[in-house]
Amino acid sequence: GQQLNQSPQSMFIQEGEDVSMNCTSSSIFNTWLWYKQDPGEGPVLLIALYKAGELTSNGRLTAQFGITRKDSFLNISASIPSDVGIYFCAGQPNNNDMRFGAGTRLTVKP
Amino acid sequence: GAGVSQSPSNKVTEKGKDVELRCDPISGHTALYWYRQSLGQGLEFLIYFQGNSAPDKSGLPSDRFSAERTGGSVSTLTIQRTQQEDSAVYLCASSFSWQETQYFGPGTRLLVL
Repeated sequence: GQQLNQSPQSMFIQEGEDVSMNCTSSSIFNTWLWYKQDPGEGPVLLIALYKAGELTSNGRLTAQFGITRKDSFLNISASIPSDVGIYFCAGQPNNNDMRFGAGTRLTVKP
Repeated sequence: GAGVSQSPSNKVTEKGKDVELRCDPISGHTALYWYRQSLGQGLEFLIYFQGNSAPDKSGLPSDRFSAERTGGSVSTLTIQRTQQEDSAVYLCASSFSWQETQYFGPGTRLLVL
């Protein structure tokens, strides 16, 4: 099925820095979602995007649904230690099931 | 609680044994999904249910995997004759209806020795 390319695979940043990660697909997606997974837990939804060009914020998080409908990015501003975790993008092709990226592992150094 | 729950949280089994994993979705959610997450990997879609029916079983890795859902609520994922490569975290999610936002359970960590 359609797979998502998520990058970077991992990031090591200093507390207070901004972070950006993105996902791309070879096919069009109708929905883009961003999840965060803490160790030993299931993914938790951060932001959902349903319309091309849509830019949505959730606190220090901002995500955009690319105009081409083949990409999305997630930005985290002014990172804090509790931002540590794995961030997954997920997309939904036409009338199809959800596909997930491989994840971006974020480490924040105090 | 109001979230998706899964049991057991951890399961260690011997190669060749059968295992059964359980998922309790959020009350009122008609759609239920099973995913597999191998160590350090993303989520691999296995199967979803809309009500009690599973329109798409193509994600199941082999015929040793099966899933059912009765009463439109609880679902079980069964793996027969487990193999070491079945070791992974099995995540369940539910949504109000198909293609709506999915909410995940904490997962079942399966280790096949």
